[in-house]
Amino acid sequence: NAGVMQNPRHLVRRRGQEARLRCSPMKGHSHVYWYRQLPEEGLKFMVYLQKENIIDESGMPKERFSAEFPKEGPSILRIQQVVRGDSAAYFCASSTGTGLNTIYFGEGSWLTVV
Amino acid sequence: GQNIDQPTEMTATEGAIVQINCTYQTSGFNGLFWYQQHAGEAPTFLSYNVLDGLEEKGRFSSFLSRSKGYSYLLLKELQMKDSASYLCAVTPGKGSYIPTFGRGTSLIVHP
Repeated sequence: NAGVMQNPRHLVRRRGQEARLRCSPMKGHSHVYWYRQLPEEGLKFMVYLQKENIIDESGMPKERFSAEFPKEGPSILRIQQVVRGDSAAYFCASSTGTGLNTIYFGEGSWLTVV
Repeated sequence: GQNIDQPTEMTATEGAIVQINCTYQTSGFNGLFWYQQHAGEAPTFLSYNVLDGLEEKGRFSSFLSRSKGYSYLLLKELQMKDSASYLCAVTPGKGSYIPTFGRGTSLIVHP
């Protein structure tokens, strides 16, 4: 499968624990985007990364959230000390970063905080 | 800032035609995208418009008027499987190619 791969698909965490979501971009793509989708709401941009660089994190909460895209391995979205309000679907997307820059989404990671 | 508006919900009958509108006010414009999202699944890319006019792709067509900040997605010969949320997204350009999404339009197709 050459598509965007995300794992885990479903994750349950207790309040105060850490959540780590992973994303491997589509083959040939070097640009990764993370979006959050709350029930009955649209996709909200969080962060945009290229290999080893955060390009735009304007949508990322200032505390508890961080993202990285190392030279080797998947991009990781990390949420520390999770709270109930963090429960959402987190979608990763990737693109070539050139031309029209169409982004393609992974299957998503559904985080439930109990 | 970016503002993208779509109707929240629409209903239509199997076999009919439906038009889903999207209006946008953005700081710039590079392209407009439509995605389909079934409940509990990932958004899948449907179409994009860069220039004014109609782009046709099988049963789906998308139209853009940049001067009016307006687009629509036209779905013909509706099928039950077309019941989904349809997301309009705009990339502003001017150094930012990050798509901003509308809230989506939930389309319900009745037999």
